[in-house]
Amino acid sequence: SQQGEEDPQALSIQEGENATMNCSYKTSINNLQWYRQNSGRGLVHLILIRSNEREKHSGRLRVTLDTSKKSSSLLITASRAADTASYFCATDILNTGNQFYFGTGTSLTVIP
Amino acid sequence: DAGVTQSPTHLIKTRGQQVTLRCSPKSGHDTVSWYQQALGQGPQFIFQYYEEEERQRGNFPDRFSGHQFPNYSSELNVNALLLGDSALYLCASTRDFRRTDTQYFGPGTRLTVL
Repeated sequence: SQQGEEDPQALSIQEGENATMNCSYKTSINNLQWYRQNSGRGLVHLILIRSNEREKHSGRLRVTLDTSKKSSSLLITASRAADTASYFCATDILNTGNQFYFGTGTSLTVIP
Repeated sequence: DAGVTQSPTHLIKTRGQQVTLRCSPKSGHDTVSWYQQALGQGPQFIFQYYEEEERQRGNFPDRFSGHQFPNYSSELNVNALLLGDSALYLCASTRDFRRTDTQYFGPGTRLTVL
């Protein structure tokens, strides 16, 4: 079964708006990573957040992690049409050594 | 600095056949993991190689096997192909599986089983 679950499954917004997607997981983790995937191609790494971190920023991306709730969120500010893609969270479960578990992803559509 | 590369890009096979997919990790990386991504799903972990040995394995049958070479490149072999093996196969590499580090993915190999 999937360790991580993204919510919502699909999201459609206007260009310039912010997009927020959430990820919930089931067991303790070393770190959590967010990836983007365009049209069934390879995964592009966006950001890594460690279990002892609560928030990280990278450009227009902001990621939060709440280990007590076993959840993370990805915020994309001032969205662009080029942000249209599927977004996945991947959890590195404690003591599994970089074995990542992915959710089913959030499909984001940014309308120009 | 080359990223993770995979070959071939696309592959079409028939049921019962065998297939080999190849992966070269990012420069400086020694750990390679393989994932299967069915249409509309997230990637599923198949197995991971480090120091030429399979370290960890996901919930995949023995028809899925792999190999890692001394130069850290890796192969994924699938025997007795089933229709359900049709998927995007992704290779990922990282510097050391014991480190908390970014995992970089290749572009994938699209396998279609007819």
